[in-house]
Amino acid sequence: DAGITQSPRHKVTETGTPVTLRCHQTENHRYMYWYRQDPGHGLRLIHYSYGVKDTDKGEVSDGYSVSRSKTEDFLLTLESATSSQTSVYFCAISEMVFEQYFGPGTRLTVT
Amino acid sequence: TQLLEQSPQFLSIQEGENLTVYCNSSSVFSSLQWYRQEPGEGPVLLVTVVTGGEVKKLKRLTFQFGDARKDSSLHITAAQPGDTGLYLCAGEETSGSRLTFGEGTQLTVNP
Repeated sequence: DAGITQSPRHKVTETGTPVTLRCHQTENHRYMYWYRQDPGHGLRLIHYSYGVKDTDKGEVSDGYSVSRSKTEDFLLTLESATSSQTSVYFCAISEMVFEQYFGPGTRLTVT
Repeated sequence: TQLLEQSPQFLSIQEGENLTVYCNSSSVFSSLQWYRQEPGEGPVLLVTVVTGGEVKKLKRLTFQFGDARKDSSLHITAAQPGDTGLYLCAGEETSGSRLTFGEGTQLTVNP
């Protein structure tokens, strides 16, 4: 299994507060991705990175920002959390765009 | 973003039965992946198909990529309770920068 961890695994936060989720890999893969998974919508791409300090938006990027200052870490920040951002968040890594390897997920609840 | 539609959304069968899950699009994909996800975990890559018409077998699972690289199918022979899970297809967009995921097929195999 690819060495990929996410923290925290669970978080409950209040509307309006900033939240940062961390993805850490030990595989030295070039690409890193953040997805959210919601019933009826499947996995949707939020942001991705194709190298240190190189990031781009996915299909649902509004309200989210990312940073990648080291190959192994990819941070997802919810600038001001809203109830619509309650979801399960998955990080994925890959050396090629296809064949992505997923972390265990973070369950975020915004109250 | 290129779209992928999976069918059926839900499938409940008895142990020993055969089943087929479909993944369809009007767009061409460079490659297509199938993932399996269990509750509380991230998706796990099962297979990648790249060439139009390609067929790959993984024990009792048979994956096929359509000739035009717009669709794919997953066939399971003699399903077992351990096959229960969410099956996701994902296509590598021709732009080469990301995957598009289908919404998934929730399979339940009853003993």
